Amino acid sequence: DVKVTQSSRYLVKRTGEKVFLECVQDMDHENMFWYRQDPGLGLRLIYFSYDVKMKEKGDIPEGYSVSREKKERFSLILESASTNQTSMYLCASSFQGMYEQYFGPGTRLTVT
Amino acid sequence: GQNIDQPTEMTATEGAIVQINCTYQTSGFNGLFWYQQHAGEAPTFLSYNVLDGLEEKGRFSSFLSRSKGYSYLLLKELQMKDSASYLCAVRDDNTDKLIFGTGTRLQVFP
Repeated sequence: DVKVTQSSRYLVKRTGEKVFLECVQDMDHENMFWYRQDPGLGLRLIYFSYDVKMKEKGDIPEGYSVSREKKERFSLILESASTNQTSMYLCASSFQGMYEQYFGPGTRLTVT
Repeated sequence: GQNIDQPTEMTATEGAIVQINCTYQTSGFNGLFWYQQHAGEAPTFLSYNVLDGLEEKGRFSSFLSRSKGYSYLLLKELQMKDSASYLCAVRDDNTDKLIFGTGTRLQVFP
């Protein structure tokens, strides 16, 4: 069974804090993705990675950065959290030339 | 530009059939996915179409017409557990990125 895990299901942070969201997959997938999901806007891609130490901007990278030091782990970093980053964050992974992405359970982040 | 449209909400009765439509306009196309997402949970893969036609998988079927930029997901013999959001996503031509629609929330009533 493919497993994608995320470090927290719920997180509350204050404005200006640095926030780390961790994602780990156990299927040796090359690709990893970070999305945010907001009502009425659907899933929007923040960043993705095709390989270790590689990263590509998605559609809404502003205010975020990522790190992929190991193949199984992909971290999303909010350098200085703001209230408009309150959202559900979903991590996903897939093989290259993929036919489906596998999603983690999500982290609901609230920035106050 | 890239645009994926699907209805926001649909309702149906247990035991009935429902069709959820998805239209897309993207700069490149290399396959269309349907995902199911129950409230508060992660999306799970339902189907993948890259060629025109119908793909059937149990109670669920998915259809694609590339020339029309159109797909639908057909759910038969609806059950209460089918109440969920259904996400249409198009795979970008040159990358492994998926572009998602905003999802269709389906409510099944007894």
